[in-house]
Parts: sequence; structure tokens; C-alpha cells
Amino acid sequence: SQQGEEDPQALSIQEGENATMNCSYKTSINNLQWYRQNSGRGLVHLILIRSNEREKHSGRLRVTLDTSKKSSSLLITASRAADTASYFCATEGRNYGQNFVFGPGTRLSVLP
Amino acid sequence: GAGVSQSPRYKVAKRGQDVALRCDPISGHVSLFWYQQALGQGPEFLTYFQNEAQLDKSGLPSDRFFAERPEGSVSTLKIQRTQQEDSAVYLCASSLGGTVHEQFFGPGTRLTVL
Repeated sequence: SQQGEEDPQALSIQEGENATMNCSYKTSINNLQWYRQNSGRGLVHLILIRSNEREKHSGRLRVTLDTSKKSSSLLITASRAADTASYFCATEGRNYGQNFVFGPGTRLSVLP
Repeated sequence: GAGVSQSPRYKVAKRGQDVALRCDPISGHVSLFWYQQALGQGPEFLTYFQNEAQLDKSGLPSDRFFAERPEGSVSTLKIQRTQQEDSAVYLCASSLGGTVHEQFFGPGTRLTVL
């Protein structure tokens, strides 16, 4: 079964708006990563947040992690058409067989 | 610099055939991962190598799937007696080492089993 579940499944916004995607997971983790996938560039790593961190920034990206709620959020500010892609969270679990689990993804469309 | 490369990019197999998918990781990367991605879904973990050692193969769906990395560099994912449900994109990723480094993904091999 999927460890990570992204929400919403699909999101459509106008260029310049902010986009927020959420990820929930079930078991204890070592870290959580966000990836982007589009047809042009394949899967690309965006940001990693460790279990002892609560927030991390990278350019227009802001990731939060709440281990008590087993959830994370990815915020993309001032979105651009080039941000159109699918976004996945991936968790690294603590036990054998719980490693590197991706969720089903959020499909983001940024309209010009 | 060269990224992760995979070959072939596309493979069509008749049901029952064996296939071999190749992954060339980034030079010097210790860890190598294989994933299976169905259309519209996220990648599903198959197996993980650290150098030549296969440390986690919990995601391999059946004993028809076999992966190796004999010299700690190039890896091959072999699927025996392919079935239609094996049709998917097979992704390979590598990372510098351990399990906390970002993974660099290859373009994938799209396998279609007829």
C-alpha cells in the first residue's frame, strides 16, 4: 500500500498564484523528499526534509513537516507555467521494506 | 556531466519473453535504486543496492524479477516470463551514498508486454 498520499490529486491555478500540496504518511520516517516529474525532464529532486526538521526553504519552495500528524506540505510561491508538472512526496521509513515510498502525486497545472 | 542513463528507452515484449533492462548510474554514486511506475501513478520501489550489495529487495513483485549490480556500477533488472501486468515504466536512480541523499533519476525504460 502507498505510504505517502498527496492531496489534492489535481490542482489548477493561474500564473503568479501560490500552490500548496499536502502529503500524509503512515509510519515513522527518517526523512521526506519532494520530487517533480514532467515529460521533458523526468523525475527531479526538489527538497529533502529530515524528521527532526519542521520547515525548509529552497528558492520559491517551502516545505513543512509535522511528524505528530504524519504530514508534510509543499508550497510553491509565485507560480510559473514552467511549474506545471506532477509533484510527489517520497518517504524513507525506518524499517526494512518501508524505504523510499512515493505517493500517487499531485498534478499541478499553472495557466498563463 | 553525464546523468543516469537507461537502455533501452522502449521495449516491446511478447508475453512469456524474458527482458533485461540496463541502468548506468552517475559515476561514483554508491546507491542505486529501481522503481516501477504505472501510468498516472507514483514510482513504486523495487530494490536498492549499496555498491554491489542488494540491501533491500522487498519491492520486487515476484520471483520473476531479479536485479544485479555485480561490480557496484552498472545494474540490470531482469524480468522473466513477462506478463501483461509488467507493462510500466522502469526507473533507475542513483545517489551519492546512504539513504539521505537526493536521488538522480534516469529517463526510464517503457516496457510494453503484448
